[in-house]
Amino acid sequence: RKEVEQDPGPFNVPEGATVAFNCTYSNSASQSFFWYRQDCRKEPKLLMSVYSSGNEDGRFTAQLNRASQYISLLIRDSKLSDSATYLCVVNRSGGSYIPTFGRGTSLIVHP
Amino acid sequence: ETGVTQSPTHLIKTRGQQVTLRCSSQSGHNTVSWYQQALGQGPQFIFQYYREEENGRGNFPPRFSGLQFPNYSSELNVNALELDDSALYLCASSGKRERNEQFFGPGTRLTVL
Repeated sequence: RKEVEQDPGPFNVPEGATVAFNCTYSNSASQSFFWYRQDCRKEPKLLMSVYSSGNEDGRFTAQLNRASQYISLLIRDSKLSDSATYLCVVNRSGGSYIPTFGRGTSLIVHP
Repeated sequence: ETGVTQSPTHLIKTRGQQVTLRCSSQSGHNTVSWYQQALGQGPQFIFQYYREEENGRGNFPPRFSGLQFPNYSSELNVNALELDDSALYLCASSGKRERNEQFFGPGTRLTVL
């Protein structure tokens, strides 16, 4: 089983739709969690951190479920510009941080 | 604030050669991580440097080595290149060690023939 798993998609949704991605992780010692966005042939950019209590940034909401070992990203009112690959990252600590990326979920928002 | 920069942007090498990739961290950041990203995959962690010391390593062979300099810039060296080393190599810097929020450079695309 991979340490961090994501459904690669693609998720194909119309503008204005709400879409949710999940990311499961296998290491219960994982300490910190993030969502990154990566456009085609570009570098990943930090979208948001994921906090235990859940957090929201505009149309984006991130949740962490430690008991079931997954994080989620909800995008409301999708825009064409949201089309990208969304990568989840899980950091585990054992004196140093070892970040593990998922393979990413592709989102295509169409008119 | 200067972002993360990497050089070169593209590189073509042949099997068996050696390559050095360079990264300048974002101003104020003292931690640098290197990643390998193959097409269609997420970035794979190679190693991380914190204040010039290796601070964590992923599942890569010893022919992948690195350095961090006093100004926190960094190099990734790969010896005895193999065809499978063809990938995008990303450098990321971080200033918040306890959470490791990272900011990526544009990457170096390495092709091994």
